[in-house]
Order: sequence, then C-alpha cells, then structure tokens
Amino acid sequence: EPEVTQTPSHQVTQMGQEVILRCVPISNHLYFYWYRQILGQKVEFLVSFYNNEISEKSEIFDDQFSVERPDGSNFTLKIRSTKLEDSAMYFCASTPTPGDLSFFGQGTRLTVV
Amino acid sequence: RKEVEQDPGPFNVPEGATVAFNCTYSNSASQSFFWYRQDCRKEPKLLMSVYSSGNEDGRFTAQLNRASQYISLLIRDSKLSDSATYLCVVNPSSRDDKIIFGKGTRLHILP
Repeated sequence: EPEVTQTPSHQVTQMGQEVILRCVPISNHLYFYWYRQILGQKVEFLVSFYNNEISEKSEIFDDQFSVERPDGSNFTLKIRSTKLEDSAMYFCASTPTPGDLSFFGQGTRLTVV
Repeated sequence: RKEVEQDPGPFNVPEGATVAFNCTYSNSASQSFFWYRQDCRKEPKLLMSVYSSGNEDGRFTAQLNRASQYISLLIRDSKLSDSATYLCVVNPSSRDDKIIFGKGTRLHILP
C-alpha cells in the first residue's frame, strides 16, 4: 500500500538552528501539507502546497517557515531559526484532490533544546 | 463556538460495550467530514469519511446532521485494540484544502 514517508523520525536541535524536515508524498498525489501537533494538543494546519507553490498557510506559518519541492519526489519543511515552542510532532500529508481524505506520514518529532 | 469541538474524554468502557462520540462544527458551509484515529505519539489514520446519509463500516457507524452541525461515531462491540484518540476532522470549504481537526476524544477499552 502506498504511504507517505518522513525523515528523520526524531530530530533534536539547539535553539536558533535551522532544521529541514523531509517528506516523500504518495507518488500520484498532487496536494501536499504540513501539520504540527504540540504534545497534548490538537493537530494544527501549517501549510498546503500545490503546483509548486503555497496554496494556503496558517498564522503559525510565519517567515521562519518555508516549504519546497526540490525534485519530483521530496517535499520539505524548513524552520530557519528554531524556537523552544517549535518542539512538536510535524506531520506531512498528501491527497489526490483538495478536501479529500489525507494520508499522513508517521511524523517527525522535533525537539528544540 | 470552536471550529470543531469534541468531548476530550477519556471514555473508559468495558470490552464489548458500545461507545458513541460526538462532534460539533461551527461553519455551516463545511463540505466534508472525517473521523481519524490516533494512537499515542503516532500519526492520524483515516477511520472513515462521513456522509449525510450515514455510513457503516463493520462495527463503526458515522452520522452527519447538517442542520445541527453535528457528527457522530458509534463503535459497537468494542475491542481492546479500539483504544485510541478519535479525531473529528472537517473541511470547511470545497475551495480550499485546509482541514480542521478537533482536539480528539480519548477512548480506553477495559478488559
């Protein structure tokens, strides 16, 4: 069964450092997303991406965040200068059409120390 | 009213019991609805989509009441493996692709 894969599964970084979280969406999907979940809280939308550009972003997705699809398979989330409050589980998801059910990757646990 | 609201639980029910989850949403124009389950520190996994006519998948039944802006999930003959957090998910619009998660209801099935 096709799946969304994310690497690394766990990333520890020092405050102020840049991190790149990587995702490989399902190959025939066209819409890609990043979500985050702070421990004990709900899953929150960060950004959606279609046709090589951001289609929507939340207020959480400020100038510290960026996304990129550098090649035909990878979809990355970059946090330029991490803060303690960026510690969370980051989930990548993809879907063939917007509003349709989303398939989630297993997540990257980011710990900022 | 919160965008998507759920009873946080936890619900502690004996194995074999029937359990019902409720969810309300604030945007009356919302287009599509889903139930996901999330195990501890894992990714959300789709359980089922929710349709106006109601839908059933084995022991699971989902209902949508658009007039009341209310979604439900019923689990019959609960199993120990049903223990998880159940997330109500709403897509507010057909024009955009931002889905909104409820905070989830935790379920513990007791042996």
